[in-house]
Amino acid sequence: KQEVTQIPAALSVPEGENLVLNCSFTDSAIYNLQWFRQDPGKGLTSLLLIQSSQREQTSGRLNASLDKSSGRSTLYIAASQPGDSATYLCAVDNYGQNFVFGPGTRLSVLP
Amino acid sequence: DADVTQTPRNRITKTGKRIMLECSQTKGHDRMYWYRQDPGLGLRLIYYSFDVKDINKGEISDGYSVSRQAQAKFSLSLESAIPNQTALYFCATSDSRTGPRETQYFGPGTRLLVL
Repeated sequence: KQEVTQIPAALSVPEGENLVLNCSFTDSAIYNLQWFRQDPGKGLTSLLLIQSSQREQTSGRLNASLDKSSGRSTLYIAASQPGDSATYLCAVDNYGQNFVFGPGTRLSVLP
Repeated sequence: DADVTQTPRNRITKTGKRIMLECSQTKGHDRMYWYRQDPGLGLRLIYYSFDVKDINKGEISDGYSVSRQAQAKFSLSLESAIPNQTALYFCATSDSRTGPRETQYFGPGTRLLVL
């Protein structure tokens, strides 16, 4: 059974810092991995999707990496801003059968 | 207009009552999902449907049932609500035609409180 964990559970940083969020999964036989953002009281928004054959994806200040063999992914946020404050979740797709989500990292960027 | 809508957005009910949560999408996607989110546990899959005639149990289907009335509509029912079903419920959709770049699109969620 696939299990996904995220470290840290919560993170508070001053504005402008670069930061890394971590995601680990137990079964490396995945189709892809996605990072989502969730704002309070709202649904999830997909940020980045990394296919199993890829090593990383970039979108603006966000960079996500994937090391399938070790069961790890990181989300790097450059020059953090208060508007980045949200909960970040990673999810792995087990060959299109279903998505397994991590518990999330709650990020606070202080002005 | 939102691509994935959920009704109601908030619901308070009593133990033993039957309730239905509804999800509609205008994205033309074939796949739909129901998740529940509890603090500290992330999202857990309840049921999913890959097309109108396909229904599959997820990780935590006990106490729930679903109906895929049309490609655009997927409803979740709690036959006899209990307090530990208090949670935030999300509907999501995806398009199998996008292949390995398939991503999920989420509704705004339904906050359910069972007293």
